[in-house]
Amino acid sequence: GESVGLHLPTLSVQEGDNSIINCAYSNSASDYFIWYKQESGKGPQFIIDIRSNMDKRQGQRVTVLLNKTVKHLSLQIAATQPGDSAVYFCAEEGGTYKYIFGTGTRLKVLA
Amino acid sequence: GAVVSQHPSRVICKSGTSVKIECRSLDFQATTMFWYRQFPKQSLMLMATSNEGSKATYEQGVEKDKFLINHASLTLSTLTVTSAHPEDSSFYICSAILAGNTGELFFGEGSRLTVL
Repeated sequence: GESVGLHLPTLSVQEGDNSIINCAYSNSASDYFIWYKQESGKGPQFIIDIRSNMDKRQGQRVTVLLNKTVKHLSLQIAATQPGDSAVYFCAEEGGTYKYIFGTGTRLKVLA
Repeated sequence: GAVVSQHPSRVICKSGTSVKIECRSLDFQATTMFWYRQFPKQSLMLMATSNEGSKATYEQGVEKDKFLINHASLTLSTLTVTSAHPEDSSFYICSAILAGNTGELFFGEGSRLTVL
């Protein structure tokens, strides 16, 4: 079936550096993608989204890039802070608000 | 932003008992809510789609008689884990779509179920 996967299960970065979290998706028909942040014991928090008619979208300290040619998403976090430590999931809309979540990447920010 | 509240946040029960988890949209009406299950260090797995006033739609492999879902109003969906067993221990998360919205999901804080 269709799936969304991540390349790196764990990413460690120094505080202040930029982080890049990657995600591959397999459904070329998907037209909406979201990045979520999940802290331990909590529900996912929306970070940023992007539609397939765009290839880049910026938020506050975060940027999502979409490469439809290779079906790849990335989340870039600028000047990573300790509060950014969490698990990050990409999610792909699998039809009528049904989202398929990737396996997740744990981001560890080193002081 | 829109707020989704889950209750209880943590519950411990004995094997064989049933547990009800509530999911409420606090400041908006949600015609559709979703229930997810998450095992430790794993991703969210969609269990079912809950539609107000109609039967829930379950994903393949999810037992509808085991996980009863009721969406009686535009602000409340409940998940009842019937005759719970230790393997049902998990983190259950609900989410809701804002009526008329184009896609953003609002998630609850999750409910951790531990079955002894």
